Amino acid sequence: DAKTTQPPSMDCAEGRAANLPCNHSTISGNEYVYWYRQIHSQGPQYIIHGLKNNETNEMASLIITEDRKSSTLILPHATLRDTAVYYCIVRVWANNLFFGTGTRLTVIP
Amino acid sequence: NAGVMQNPRHLVRRRGQEARLRCSPMKGHSHVYWYRQLPEEGLKFMVYLQKENIIDESGMPKERFSAEFPKEGPSILRIQQVVRGDSAAYFCASSGLAAEYNEQFFGPGTRLTVL
Repeated sequence: DAKTTQPPSMDCAEGRAANLPCNHSTISGNEYVYWYRQIHSQGPQYIIHGLKNNETNEMASLIITEDRKSSTLILPHATLRDTAVYYCIVRVWANNLFFGTGTRLTVIP
Repeated sequence: NAGVMQNPRHLVRRRGQEARLRCSPMKGHSHVYWYRQLPEEGLKFMVYLQKENIIDESGMPKERFSAEFPKEGPSILRIQQVVRGDSAAYFCASSGLAAEYNEQFFGPGTRLTVL
């Protein structure tokens, strides 16, 4: 599985867009990019996934670069409830998810 | 539609005792995954099961740990002769398909404390 690199922490002002980067320079052609988040000590929550096209759902947008070596998760209007650890996972099949250390996002009032 | 259920939410055991953690997947889901999270670390995959079958147990410790997902009833993660290092949060997830992509839905976790 491709290794991912994320900044350990980020801050974002409430109401602003939160842009969380992820590097996955060794990604292979059939690997998907998944994003999950974990709020405090709860179970992880699926956010979004993509292969090579940009994706958007009710929670977030996922922007994948053309060479697929990096991606950005965008929370368009961050709220205090978005404070969490965000995990970027690259995998062919989502059966065995590898959660690294993620990015701890703190939304500031 | 109830989500993934785990019980107990908190479990305290003394060294040498057995711990049994239960997971009821979402309705209609036949794939179950177990993960362990040590303090200040990310989740680590342990095992993937379908009904009555273990598909991938590459993350399971070779000794003392076992998992099952019977035809009827919840999935069980069993830890025999617990040690202090087993103290962690254990999360269960379920999915409806094990296909090209499958969103895993996670339960609230069981926090095991070994005294």
